[in-house]
Amino acid sequence: DIVMTQSPDSLAVSLGERATINCKSSQSVLYSSNNKNYLAWYQQKPGQPPKLLFYWASTRESGVPDRFSGSGSGTDFTLTISSLQAEDVAVYFCQQYFGTPYTFGQGTKLEIK
Amino acid sequence: EVQLVESGGGLVQPGGSLRLSCAVSGFTFSRYWMHWVRRGPGKGLVWVSRINSDGSSTSYADSVKGRFTISRDNAKNTLYLQMNSLRANDTAIYYCARVTGYNTPLDYWGQGTLVTVSS
Repeated sequence: DIVMTQSPDSLAVSLGERATINCKSSQSVLYSSNNKNYLAWYQQKPGQPPKLLFYWASTRESGVPDRFSGSGSGTDFTLTISSLQAEDVAVYFCQQYFGTPYTFGQGTKLEIK
Repeated sequence: EVQLVESGGGLVQPGGSLRLSCAVSGFTFSRYWMHWVRRGPGKGLVWVSRINSDGSSTSYADSVKGRFTISRDNAKNTLYLQMNSLRANDTAIYYCARVTGYNTPLDYWGQGTLVTVSS
């Protein structure tokens, strides 16, 4: 199974500041035949289901604010929020869908400092 | 509007059984693969199972293999998860989620149904 490891486990950032969450996979999730990274990011707020933010590592889902960005390739990926807003408080998960079992990172809890 | 609504959760004793349902609307259910994902108390997201669009192919996490069965009724626009031999560590919110195809992300999720396994 592909193991996904996020860092940090929790993060406190001031409003308007940048937040960066990292995700590392135990093996590459880049499929050479189509040059796509099978990596997604989700946001989960308390009492709500997860919401898809990015897929193919950097393709923003419709409706996701452009202060969010996804980057990386192979085994190392990053989710960045350029200017933190109060509504961004949530737990963020990365996930590989390169193959089953799909696996998630342990989650990063983002709070306001 | 795409909607997924889970039901069937509740309190069950260890060794017991439950059947979860996920009723969908707003899209052509029979064209989509579907998944179950769970999140235990204070824990992260864990993939449980998936089924292809016509129900002919399924896959399970090792932790539930042999105990859980995923199925679907395309005529009723409903996904199921039959859970047998339940254990305390199966306690979680169970979400159904849609994917657009093989090896694609989970683009729509239901609100979840809580399963509590306790004596």
